[in-house]
Amino acid sequence: AQKVTQAQTEISVVEKEDVTLDCVYETRDTTYYLFWYKQPPSGELVFLIRRNSFDEQNEISGRYSWNFQKSTSSFNFTITASQVVDSAVYFCALSEWMDSSYKLIFGSGTRLLVRP
Amino acid sequence: DTEVTQTPKHLVMGMTNKKSLKCEQHMGHRAMYWYKQKAKKPPELMFVYSYEKLSINESVPSRFSPECPNSSLLNLHLHALQPEDSALYLCASSRITGQDYPSSGANVLTFGAGSRLTVL
Repeated sequence: AQKVTQAQTEISVVEKEDVTLDCVYETRDTTYYLFWYKQPPSGELVFLIRRNSFDEQNEISGRYSWNFQKSTSSFNFTITASQVVDSAVYFCALSEWMDSSYKLIFGSGTRLLVRP
Repeated sequence: DTEVTQTPKHLVMGMTNKKSLKCEQHMGHRAMYWYKQKAKKPPELMFVYSYEKLSINESVPSRFSPECPNSSLLNLHLHALQPEDSALYLCASSRITGQDYPSSGANVLTFGAGSRLTVL
């Protein structure tokens, strides 16, 4: 069965530090999608990135970067020069074809606290 | 401002009450979702509507009754809930691409801010 593991339950850093959030997934399929969502205290989940299984190119968007490595089944997320506004829960998610449809499975989330 | 609007933001109800949660989007998305999120847990999928038809029901108890009256609206009717049903209920919407109908699980979801439900 598909599974997403975010081993870091909580991370606390001081502002301007770099921080990496780990995500490891398990899947039997060759075609799948990986996502990162951010959930600030306000509650709504905010989409950050989607990757399909055939696109292993790393991506950078401002202070955010993602490292996708199929060899280790990991899709890690790095925030450079963290800011207080980055404080949130971050979810990694896997979408895989199952039972005639795509199912999106979230990891347990990593709570990031950025202290001033 | 979020493009998916959920009302009410907070709801307290007794176990014998009937209430409804509402969700609205005007992005032209034809897939809409209900998720349930308990404290310090990830969201769990409850229902998916594709083209206003129920396409996925994740074995949700019948005390939760979804309804999609048109392509912009999604309701969740609540009746005879239990205290353990207290949670944040999140609505989301997405485009549908041909390859992943009927679940649209491969598409980017736009979430609302949620309705926090407390069952007494």
